[in-house]
Amino acid sequence: DTEVTQTPKHLVMGMTNKKSLKCEQHMGHRAMYWYKQKAKKPPELMFVYSYEKLSINESVPSRFSPECPNSSLLNLHLHALQPEDSALYLCASSPVPRQDQNYGYTFGSGTRLTVV
Amino acid sequence: AQTVTQSQPEMSVQEAETVTLSCTYDTSESDYYLFWYKQPPSRQMILVIRQEAYKQQNATENRFSVNFQKAAKSFSLKISDSQLGDAAMYFCAYRRRSFGANSKLTFGKGITLSVRP
Repeated sequence: DTEVTQTPKHLVMGMTNKKSLKCEQHMGHRAMYWYKQKAKKPPELMFVYSYEKLSINESVPSRFSPECPNSSLLNLHLHALQPEDSALYLCASSPVPRQDQNYGYTFGSGTRLTVV
Repeated sequence: AQTVTQSQPEMSVQEAETVTLSCTYDTSESDYYLFWYKQPPSRQMILVIRQEAYKQQNATENRFSVNFQKAAKSFSLKISDSQLGDAAMYFCAYRRRSFGANSKLTFGKGITLSVRP
């Protein structure tokens, strides 16, 4: 299995809703990432998990809450979002880089989120 | 801080022809990795090719090859025998060589490639 699977593929939510995005990989990668991508723009890093612990939070608003319950699963909990949060949310994974090795990421297909 | 610059927002190529996508970067590091990612309308970011900065030999992957000029901090992607399926947005990306997951992947703004039949 060489894929990162994201569900759902599309999500429409109101500003008062609570929803979650899910990301799963079975490649044994111990680093996982959430990115936000606006149309025709590069992905912007939100969070990095390394060995199931949060290692980077790029000053993301608290209405986004990540969770890594095990080495294969990464969630992004959403609450009280704003319309400007509408975007493509990409999950990625990689082996944790070692000094003599480094890797590109494996990305999922993303969740297209629309906040109304 | 590292920056990655893709100055051409759009390019077009005739099917079966060759096209080169440009990328420059700025870093004070000596050890790093460079990547080209492809993002078709299906949205998934696909790794096209990777180059280790300490390797002088340019990376190749089938129809894709790079021209890596470390002194000039240039990393262009050449696509030979272009196919309709190559139409996508292409991102150049940089990551410094390090231990741990805290080394970020820095992306350029991307270039939209269209392929004319």
